[in-house]
Amino acid sequence: NAGVTQTPKFRVLKTGQSMTLLCAQDMNHEYMYWYRQDPGMGLRLIHYSVGEGTTAKGEVPDGYNVSRLKKQNFLLGLESAAPSQTSVYFCASKDGNQPQHFGDGTRLSIL
Amino acid sequence: RKEVEQDPGPFNVPEGATVAFNCTYSNSASQSFFWYRQDCRKEPKLLMSVYSSGNEDGRFTAQLNRASQYISLLIRDSKLSDSATYLCVVTESKSTFGDGTTLTVKP
Repeated sequence: NAGVTQTPKFRVLKTGQSMTLLCAQDMNHEYMYWYRQDPGMGLRLIHYSVGEGTTAKGEVPDGYNVSRLKKQNFLLGLESAAPSQTSVYFCASKDGNQPQHFGDGTRLSIL
Repeated sequence: RKEVEQDPGPFNVPEGATVAFNCTYSNSASQSFFWYRQDCRKEPKLLMSVYSSGNEDGRFTAQLNRASQYISLLIRDSKLSDSATYLCVVTESKSTFGDGTTLTVKP
């Protein structure tokens, strides 16, 4: 049982490049989340989804877009990467009031 | 004011010490509560759920006080391996994470 899988695990981008981070979960969870975590800081919610085909903005959505075309996948896109988006990105999923399950994270550096 | 507040610490304690963390929340409609543990540069992992009656898992005890809107985590007989950041999580329609409390257990 893989749980929550994030790809890629590491990536280096140049300013202005675009990329998509993939999150896949095999637990049939309804809710999925994207967070970023900067060094020494807490998790900040970027976007989330309460079900297939739905997305909503979190605390820090600017510069990011998301899609949930399939229940098991939640994609996070950076259209034009900026150095301020250098961070560790975590995806999580859950059902109802159950705890969230996290992926291993994606370490993204933007030069 | 943040929805979920934790004392960031750091808490530096010797092995064998007992240490307690508190977390306050502002949404009285919150329904579920959890403690997570996060090691440096790793993903948060569920430590334990928090129930109204209080619950224990080995050396760890979690308590919930709905009237005062706080949850607590008590760690007894601290081990070196307990060194980590502890995050409280409060869930209503969405989950809100505290920023975490850092614990360092020293020999």
